[in-house]
Amino acid sequence: DAMVIQNPRYQVTQFGKPVTLSCSQTLNHNVMYWYQQKSSQAPKLLFHYYDKDFNNEADTPDNFQSRRPNTSFCFLDIRSPGLGDAAMYLCATSIRLAQETQYFGPGTRLLVL
Amino acid sequence: GDSVTQMEGPVTLSEEAFLTINCTYTATGYPSLFWYVQYPGEGLQLLLKATKADDKGSNKGFEATYRKETTSFHLEKGSVQVSDSAVYFCALGSGGYQKVTFGIGTKLQVIP
Repeated sequence: DAMVIQNPRYQVTQFGKPVTLSCSQTLNHNVMYWYQQKSSQAPKLLFHYYDKDFNNEADTPDNFQSRRPNTSFCFLDIRSPGLGDAAMYLCATSIRLAQETQYFGPGTRLLVL
Repeated sequence: GDSVTQMEGPVTLSEEAFLTINCTYTATGYPSLFWYVQYPGEGLQLLLKATKADDKGSNKGFEATYRKETTSFHLEKGSVQVSDSAVYFCALGSGGYQKVTFGIGTKLQVIP
């Protein structure tokens, strides 16, 4: 089945130690998104790629970076995780526009010690 | 800018009760409207959507009608089950952009 895959499902890192979360998709969608979701809150968009075009949200901290080496893969890099970065990180895809359905992965829960 | 206002939860219902979760929006143009559901420990998944005024989205017994005159997209189900316990997010997608605006989410708990 075509799907959005996130690895790992759980990630533990230390304060200040760089960490990378990965997302892959078999849907061949143009757009890939990264969201941060804290407990009992709505997903907060960090950035998205439309093909190779990177779009950063204005309030996304510089500590968060992303790479999309090809259509299928997208990575979220947190350069120096703080305790406040502990959250669920959701990857999603869509064909083209926000008017269309987004397909979410299961998420990676990040714990910062 | 675009925004979604969703009733806060948690909502606790007995099995077979009627469910309504209110959602209103503000947006420029003619957005698409969505309800996403998130089960514990999982990502979001689309429950239903509507792309133009008066459209009714439906899935798994849930329904929502795109009301442009009241800028609303309320979620309803006639008879909830324990398995419907989850967090429900109302969302909108505006034309020409890739960004989706989510509501705060409403947690539903259905008790036997």
